[in-house]
Amino acid sequence: KAGVTQTPRYLIKTRGQQVTLSCSPISGHRSVSWYQQTPGQGLQFLFEYFSETQRNKGNFPGRFSGRQFSNSRSEMNVSTLELGDSALYLCASSLEYAGLTEAFFGQGTRLTVV
Amino acid sequence: AQTVTQSQPEMSVQEAETVTLSCTYDTSESDYYLFWYKQPPSRQMILVIRQEAYKQQNATENRFSVNFQKAAKSFSLKISDSQLGDAAMYFCAYFSNTGANSKLTFGKGITLSVRP
Repeated sequence: KAGVTQTPRYLIKTRGQQVTLSCSPISGHRSVSWYQQTPGQGLQFLFEYFSETQRNKGNFPGRFSGRQFSNSRSEMNVSTLELGDSALYLCASSLEYAGLTEAFFGQGTRLTVV
Repeated sequence: AQTVTQSQPEMSVQEAETVTLSCTYDTSESDYYLFWYKQPPSRQMILVIRQEAYKQQNATENRFSVNFQKAAKSFSLKISDSQLGDAAMYFCAYFSNTGANSKLTFGKGITLSVRP
């Protein structure tokens, strides 16, 4: 079966712009989690969606938001980009909470803010 | 809050040798899960092994095994017969089903290199 697909793979944006990243989960998976990965902070949890509802949110400013559609595809949006938002953004799909059931990760979107 | 600590940022192993990656965690929960994930240069995180805290037996997956010490809150990964393809970043992770705060918490990772 198809894996988790994240688009785009690479993105370069200018400070102050906004960006939308997409994650298509494995068919049948209703949970999508998002993580920010940086060399200094490692992997940090952004938020988790299940059946179109945000169930959990990490400690990130309100500039970071997300949503999930009825087909379980999820998007995350970052507004007013800052240089510090440069990171690899990973999403994971799972049947239930990522961790309670196996989480399958996408290859990530590498965002560079200049 | 739960924390996961991987104190060694880098390790190196000779091909065919054995290497152990360390991880400690802090939690007040009694029921939880621990994981090791591998992230190769392709960036895609792959689950290596999973351990349920209520199980006393250490998990094993082929050449990968863990040493789970619940009282010490220690969870190390042993890779036997190391192969060049094992070179990657390895993350230790924790999960506890606590309702609204349920999420995977990761350590900062360790970069493993394998010498031919």
